[in-house]
Amino acid sequence: GAVVSQHPSRVICKSGTSVKIECRSLDFQATTMFWYRQFPKQSLMLMATSNEGSKATYEQGVEKDKFLINHASLTLSTLTVTSAHPEDSSFYICSAREGRGRETQYFGPGTRLLVL
Amino acid sequence: GQNIDQPTEMTATEGAIVQINCTYQTSGFNGLFWYQQHAGEAPTFLSYNVLDGLEEKGRFSSFLSRSKGYSYLLLKELQMKDSASYLCVVMDSNYQLIWGAGTKLIIKP
Repeated sequence: GAVVSQHPSRVICKSGTSVKIECRSLDFQATTMFWYRQFPKQSLMLMATSNEGSKATYEQGVEKDKFLINHASLTLSTLTVTSAHPEDSSFYICSAREGRGRETQYFGPGTRLLVL
Repeated sequence: GQNIDQPTEMTATEGAIVQINCTYQTSGFNGLFWYQQHAGEAPTFLSYNVLDGLEEKGRFSSFLSRSKGYSYLLLKELQMKDSASYLCVVMDSNYQLIWGAGTKLIIKP
């Protein structure tokens, strides 16, 4: 099946620094990529949807200046958490979809961010 | 509003069968997914139903009734590794995913 990778898998950083997370589709071209965050024992929360070559669409309550998303190519999307704070500590998961329609989303393994 | 309901937690015995139900109310419907998520890991795709009926895939089967806004995931010959959360997800008319809160399945020997 389709494979989506994420890097890094785990990151610890100091408060105030920025962290970049990469999401790659390895064997298909991802027209659309999604970024989620998940708090312990809770379901996934969609942060933003990005289509290749255009600006990301952010969900209500998600600060676009804090969570910068770049979907520069059909196989790569990046999420940058700027000026990270301890409350940004979470599990960040990306997913990718091949087309703009009904195709299944495939998830990356997730990135666990801990901000000290 | 959009709503997906599934039980919070279920317990079953190794080797047995368990059915996880999901009911939904969404603005339009473009399919229903079931995902499995082990603790600390990202979800993995299990099944996709867009037409009424039963889809069987090995030990797992998924059923859909669009008129009733209802689906279930059936797991047979349960194994300890099946202990996980199972997420019911509906794609609405705008192709947006609406996530259920997940059902935590506990398998006992």
